[in-house]
Order: sequence, then structure tokens, then C-alpha cells
Amino acid sequence: NAGVTQTPKFRILKIGQSMTLQCTQDMNHNYMYWYRQDPGMGLKLIYYSVGAGITDKGEVPNGYNVSRSTTEDFPLRLELAAPSQTSVYFCASSYWENTEAFFGQGTRLTVV
Amino acid sequence: DAKTTQPNSMESNEEEPVHLPCNHSTISGTDYIHWYRQLPSQGPEYVIHGLTSNVNNRMASLAIAEDRKSSTLILHRATLRDAAVYYCILKSGSRLTFGEGTQLTVNP
Repeated sequence: NAGVTQTPKFRILKIGQSMTLQCTQDMNHNYMYWYRQDPGMGLKLIYYSVGAGITDKGEVPNGYNVSRSTTEDFPLRLELAAPSQTSVYFCASSYWENTEAFFGQGTRLTVV
Repeated sequence: DAKTTQPNSMESNEEEPVHLPCNHSTISGTDYIHWYRQLPSQGPEYVIHGLTSNVNNRMASLAIAEDRKSSTLILHRATLRDAAVYYCILKSGSRLTFGEGTQLTVNP
């Protein structure tokens, strides 16, 4: 059972480039989340989804887009990368609202 | 999202109990209290959650005040591996939002 898998683990982007951070879970979870964590800070919610075809904004959605076409996958798209998007990105999933959330190992993104 | 207040940092000695406090005076009746922890260079991991009654699991215990305006995460015997940032989160509905947490240091 792989749990929550994020790819890539590390990435360096140039300013203005775009990329997609991949997140997939094999636990048939309904809820999925994307967070960013800046050095020494707590996690900030970017977007979340309560099921396939349903997404909603979190605390810091600007500069990001998401889609949820399947239960398993919840990719995060960065358009026109900026240095302020340098961060560690975590994806998480849970079966329902008040069940345990499982986190991936993170993607460390640097924008230069 | 309702707000929680936690101390920035706490210290404990190995093999002693640790009580991590969390204040949430604006908690609503439907808010669940969740605790997660984040070890260095890792993603957060679930610890425990509850609504009104005290809860126990293999990792920890959660003591919830009768008025629900505060709670305490109890680690019964701290180990070096318990050194982490501990997050107390109020969850109502779909969103799971984190505060700054408490950095727990465990001394050998």
C-alpha cells in the first residue's frame, strides 16, 4: 500500500516557467489537500477537494490551479512561477471529513 | 476557521510524560479537535482527534476540557523520536488548516 505519492521530490524552476506537481493516493480517499510550507513556518492550505470534479480554494490559492478528474489524482499546477513560490509542497488525503489524513513526503520547489 | 493558541515551544525529558496545551476559546459545537505532528524533514502525521470525550490511542491521549475551550495532548513517556512540531487543529467541514504549532524538544 503506497499511500500518498508525490512527484517530483525536488525541482528547480526558472521564473516564469510552469509545472505540475503530481499527487496520487491508492486508498480510495474522497478528500485531498495541497499545502505549502515555507521555512520555519506552519502549513498553508492552497486548494482542497472533497471528491472527483469538486475543488475549492484554501488560504493561499493565488498562482496555483488544481483539477480532480479522478478519485486517485490531484495535480497542482503552477503557472508563471515566481520566487515567492519557493517552498515545500505537501499533498494529503483522507477518507472523510474527520478521519485521519495521510501526507506525502513533499516536493521541494525552488524558483530562481 | 476557528483559531487555536499553542505555546511556541516546550521541553521535556526522555521517558517523562509530556502535556501539550491548546486553547480554542472560539470553538463551535461541530468543531473536532485534531492533533498532528511533523518530524524534521517529513510530512505531518496524524496523532489523535476527538469531539467531546477524552480519547486514547497507541500514540497519545487527548484530554478535552468540559467547556471544550481547551485541550491537552498527553504523551505518556516521551522518547527522542517524539521531538517534533505538534499542531492542534479545529476541524469543521472539509478544510484542514494548520497553525504554527508547538516545537517539542526531548532531552536525553
